[in-house]
Amino acid sequence: EAGVVQSPRYKIIEKKQPVAFWCNPISGHNTLYWYRQNLGQGPELLIRYENEEAVDDSQLPKDRFSAERLKGVDSTLKIQPAELGDSAVYLCASSLGRWNTEAFFGQGTRLTVV
Amino acid sequence: LAKTTQPISMDSYEGQEVNITCSHNNIATNDYITWYQQFPSQGPRFIIQGYKTKVTNEVASLFIPADRKSSTLSLPRVSLSDTAVYYCLVDVDQTGANNLFFGTGTRLTVIP
Repeated sequence: EAGVVQSPRYKIIEKKQPVAFWCNPISGHNTLYWYRQNLGQGPELLIRYENEEAVDDSQLPKDRFSAERLKGVDSTLKIQPAELGDSAVYLCASSLGRWNTEAFFGQGTRLTVV
Repeated sequence: LAKTTQPISMDSYEGQEVNITCSHNNIATNDYITWYQQFPSQGPRFIIQGYKTKVTNEVASLFIPADRKSSTLSLPRVSLSDTAVYYCLVDVDQTGANNLFFGTGTRLTVIP
């Protein structure tokens, strides 16, 4: 069975442009996470979904970031407009449920804003 | 949120046992202790989880003392491929859900 699939793998954009990342979690996984990881740092949680409901988005910069998980399966994270400081790796993860600490991560999308 | 403290980095020779200790003085009753491993250019990978005493799987062992204020991840006979960053997590929110907050982790370098 395929793991968590993310696309694109790499993205280079100019500042002020929009960008979107897509995540397909493992089938049957109700919980979906989006993380941002800066170089040399641990992953920082941006938002967590339980099915289609965003239950923790306190770390999501809502002025420029948005996310959705339609039908409780795939998810999209969007940045509009992008800033230089948004350059990072964006990781998606999924787990069976909210009480499960074993999350499976995708390979991430490396975003470079120039 | 329970905060964790780990050494920033560790070096070890191939074939040796490596012990990485994580301090979590404010661990809550509901918190499980979970360790993840991350290789360069990859997402983190679950290694092991425990609540108390000792847990062992095919990859590692996890030792948790009775007061649960710390835990030790033990990697037996490390190889070069164990070079990675190791994260200790102990976060459960008020609803009982796992937030999976990562700290800065411990960068383990295995030397030939």
